[in-house]
Amino acid sequence: GESVGLHLPTLSVQEGDNSIINCAYSNSASDYFIWYKQESGKGPQFIIDIRSNMDKRQGQRVTVLLNKTVKHLSLQIAATQPGDSAVYFCAENGRGSTLGRLYFGRGTQLTVWP
Amino acid sequence: DAGVTQSPTHLIKTRGQHVTLRCSPISGHKSVSWYQQVLGQGPQFIFQYYEKEERGRGNFPDRFSARQFPNYSSELNVNALLLGDSALYLCASSLTGAHNYGYTFGSGTRLTVV
Repeated sequence: GESVGLHLPTLSVQEGDNSIINCAYSNSASDYFIWYKQESGKGPQFIIDIRSNMDKRQGQRVTVLLNKTVKHLSLQIAATQPGDSAVYFCAENGRGSTLGRLYFGRGTQLTVWP
Repeated sequence: DAGVTQSPTHLIKTRGQHVTLRCSPISGHKSVSWYQQVLGQGPQFIFQYYEKEERGRGNFPDRFSARQFPNYSSELNVNALLLGDSALYLCASSLTGAHNYGYTFGSGTRLTVV
């Protein structure tokens, strides 16, 4: 089955610095990946997604990079702000009989210091 | 426009009891999925429903059941509660559920089993 893992459970950065959150996935057939942000007491909030036919996708202050060769994706947050403090999850889609299911990693706690 | 709403927000139950959690999807969304999020981990897929039919079931015991109503709202039922069922239960809705993009999560129901 699919599994998604994260390299670091916690990340602390200073306000204004760039943040990079990494994620490894195991299913080479996965073709769709999503990054979610989860603040305390809330459900996961969509940040950005990427399909396997792309290597990079940019949003507002966020960039997702996908390296299919090593089955790795990363989330880059530019000019990190205190409001970015949250747990970040990568998730991959199910395929075939598991289409419609999201498989989440454990999450990385991002803390932004003023 | 209301997002995904879940009720109740918090719940405390005793071992062996039964619990019903409720979810109202975004207006127009026909697919609802349920996830269990244990503290410190990423959400785990439990069920997906589309047009009142079960489309998928995760690796959870038969004590877990769900259904979707004609208005596309959904209930998650858990019988014979165990301490290990303590978790945040998340509901996510999407237009069709056939693709993984477009899932919106609710804020969840925090279930504590004592």
